[in-house]
Amino acid sequence: DGGITQSPKYLFRKEGQNVTLSCEQNLNHDAMYWYRQDPGQGLRLIYYSQIVNDFQKGDIAEGYSVSREKKESFPLTVTSAQKNPTAFYLCASSPNSGLSNQPQHFGDGTRLSIL
Amino acid sequence: DAKTTQPNSMESNEEEPVHLPCNHSTISGTDYIHWYRQLPSQGPEYVIHGLTSNVNNRMASLAIAEDRKSSTLILHRATLRDAAVYYCILYNNAGNMLTFGGGTRLMVKP
Repeated sequence: DGGITQSPKYLFRKEGQNVTLSCEQNLNHDAMYWYRQDPGQGLRLIYYSQIVNDFQKGDIAEGYSVSREKKESFPLTVTSAQKNPTAFYLCASSPNSGLSNQPQHFGDGTRLSIL
Repeated sequence: DAKTTQPNSMESNEEEPVHLPCNHSTISGTDYIHWYRQLPSQGPEYVIHGLTSNVNNRMASLAIAEDRKSSTLILHRATLRDAAVYYCILYNNAGNMLTFGGGTRLMVKP
């Protein structure tokens, strides 16, 4: 079945360490997104990519970086500059960016914690 | 960006209909209204979306006010599996971003 795979499901980071969260989709979607969700809160957009080799900052991009070298993959790196990285991270994709009538498909998330 | 306002929580009995309201008084003419739901420790799941006309699918119905300043998600017969947080989101073309608010936590009683 087509879908979005996020790995790992749980991740622990030491202080001062960068960690990378994986997101892969086999839906042939052009657009991909990363969101952060804190307990009891809604989702906030970190970065999004409308096409390969292009990405844009969302509302809370500071302390994060992304790449989009392949259509299927959109990894997120949480850098040591992100002072409060503990959260639930969600990756999503949609068929074509710029069309507001297309729903987004979400992965099952990665829960990141600080040791 | 246009925002949405939803009640923090609602309760329903199993097998009864549920009406989940959403206010979006600053909606613009090109904003679509999307609904997602999220179970604990899972990613959001798409439920339904619409622009001006009411919409039906196998999961739910979406009733949109004539002035588009509010909408209602209707679950025709709530089941225990419908217990989740329901998000009403305005989806605009500017950057193709979804703005998620706090959502409504639906509790279903057997």
